[in-house]
Amino acid sequence: KAGVTQTPRYLIKTRGQQVTLSCSPISGHRSVSWYQQTPGQGLQFLFEYFSETQRNKGNFPGRFSGRQFSNSRSEMNVSTLELGDSALYLCASGSQNYEQYFGPGTRLTVT
Amino acid sequence: QQQVKQSPQSLIVQKGGISIINCAYENTAFDYFPWYQQFPGKGPALLIAIRPDVSEKKEGRFTISFNKSAKQFSLHIMDSQPGDSATYFCAAESSGAGSYQLTFGKGTKLSVIP
Repeated sequence: KAGVTQTPRYLIKTRGQQVTLSCSPISGHRSVSWYQQTPGQGLQFLFEYFSETQRNKGNFPGRFSGRQFSNSRSEMNVSTLELGDSALYLCASGSQNYEQYFGPGTRLTVT
Repeated sequence: QQQVKQSPQSLIVQKGGISIINCAYENTAFDYFPWYQQFPGKGPALLIAIRPDVSEKKEGRFTISFNKSAKQFSLHIMDSQPGDSATYFCAAESSGAGSYQLTFGKGTKLSVIP
């Protein structure tokens, strides 16, 4: 069974730009969650999608958004990038028993 | 408000020794407690998890101990090996919340020296 895939793996963007990250969950998993990981704040929950619906959202500004498609693939978008958005963005695929499996992440650097 | 507190921040253990990492939580609605292992440049990997209906769960060299009354849980790594050197995160989740949302501890960087 293939694991969680995330693309791209690395991104360098300039302040003010926007970025879209993609995640493909494990086959059969309908839940996709997104997390931001930074050295200072650790792992923080961004949002969770299940069957194309956002079920929960963390404490992040509206510049962070996401969506999920009918095949369970998910994208997250960050608009008007700030230096503080530099982080590892992780996608987690959720099974029916609440186990969550993470992808390798997308390393975003904002200059 | 940090809902899951993890200690120590870093840990150095001799090969063959026991590594112990502790976590405490505040939210009594949490009912699922996983541990993740993360190597540099990789995403966190699910190591072992426990629900509060049991006080201990063992998988190979990894054991979770759970104390519901104290709202604490810990990870024990027996016979620690250099390959176990990684950052470990405890987490907690409430299945009754109707969505998947893990609350993580700040992590423990484990170094196992030969």
